[in-house]
Amino acid sequence: AQRVTQPEKLLSVFKGAPVELKCNYSYSGSPELFWYVQYSRQRLQLLLRHISRESIKGFTADLNKGETSFHLKKPFAQEEDSAMYYCALYGGAAGNKLTFGGGTRVLVKP
Amino acid sequence: NAGVMQNPRHLVRRRGQEARLRCSPMKGHSHVYWYRQLPEEGLKFMVYLQKENIIDESGMPKERFSAEFPKEGPSILRIQQVVRGDSAAYFCASSRDRYEQYFGPGTRLTVT
Repeated sequence: AQRVTQPEKLLSVFKGAPVELKCNYSYSGSPELFWYVQYSRQRLQLLLRHISRESIKGFTADLNKGETSFHLKKPFAQEEDSAMYYCALYGGAAGNKLTFGGGTRVLVKP
Repeated sequence: NAGVMQNPRHLVRRRGQEARLRCSPMKGHSHVYWYRQLPEEGLKFMVYLQKENIIDESGMPKERFSAEFPKEGPSILRIQQVVRGDSAAYFCASSRDRYEQYFGPGTRLTVT
């Protein structure tokens, strides 16, 4: 069975400090991993996906198959980064569903 | 493109009533997914549909829940005889292909 774990429910950092959101997964196949973000009063939106290897809004995430992790990092947090972040694994029998972690709330203090 | 639309945004039902949640996918998207988010939890997959077909309903409760995506019109998630435990946010997502899913704003169901 596939599973995604985000061990931190809340991360509170000061503006300009680095932030790292942890995500670990279990999946028997070749994983496709995503980070989604939900800003206050907005819908869930895709932040980045591991296959594109891009940096969005200063965030990066590296897939580490050995540690089965896909941690999200940003070197200098901004107040507008305050939001809920969800790590998600794409898979399933037909490769069609997202399995989400429980989410991490990030609060960036001024 | 207006994005994925869901209505109603908020729905209050008494125990035993029926709840109907609607989802209109983005234009050009033929894949629809429903997820449920219970309080203080992440989103959990319920069902994946394509036009007129249920592809994967492995996350749907066995009783009282059903979903459809007709040839014309929105996808409908139907919950019969609602109970307090059905209170949650229900999110719909759509995709053009099997990868990037775009989410709607969700319907918050409250059962009193």
